[in-house]
Amino acid sequence: NAGVTQTPKFQVLKTGQSMTLQCAQDMNHNSMYWYRQDPGMGLRLIYYSASEGTTDKGEVPNGYNVSRLNKREFSLRLESAAPSQTSVYFCASSARQGGEKLFFGSGTQLSVL
Amino acid sequence: GEDVEQSLFLSVREGDSSVINCTYTDSSSTYLYWYKQEPGAGLQLLTYIFSNMDMKQDQRLTVLLNKKDKHLSLRIADTQTGDSAIYFCAERVGDKIIFGKGTRLHILP
Repeated sequence: NAGVTQTPKFQVLKTGQSMTLQCAQDMNHNSMYWYRQDPGMGLRLIYYSASEGTTDKGEVPNGYNVSRLNKREFSLRLESAAPSQTSVYFCASSARQGGEKLFFGSGTQLSVL
Repeated sequence: GEDVEQSLFLSVREGDSSVINCTYTDSSSTYLYWYKQEPGAGLQLLTYIFSNMDMKQDQRLTVLLNKKDKHLSLRIADTQTGDSAIYFCAERVGDKIIFGKGTRLHILP
């Protein structure tokens, strides 16, 4: 089992460019999440999807859109990237039992110039 | 709203116990978690506690939960150099999981 897979691992964008971060999990989890991590700020929740077909805003949703394509996949889109979106992005998933723990992907390091 | 607070730094001598503290605001938290992040890596779940428990022990790790004060702590016994990392406290409220800013644990020789 691969767990939670994120692509790409690294990306450099110019201001105004768009891109989509992909995330897939093979653990049959209901819930999926996107976080960003910035120095001194910890992890902040961007969007989450409690189940297939639903998405909700987290703490810092502005400038992002998400799609829960199916139970396995949850993508994060930056329509017009800004330097303030330079960050490390983590996708995570969780099941609804056994402590409902989060399992994380390895992260995407995004730089917006 | 939900908020999770923890101190940013902790220095401990090798072999001593480390205690990392966390406070949270939402009394409807169902689970509370401790995650570890080593440099350049993702987050790894260390342990978690259900909100109706007050203590959980797992080898060198002890979690204490004071629900009245909304205070969570993680004790690492016999701290080793491999414990050097950032430790994140997190709370689950409904379908959301909110993280603190992380405590960087530094091990002194």
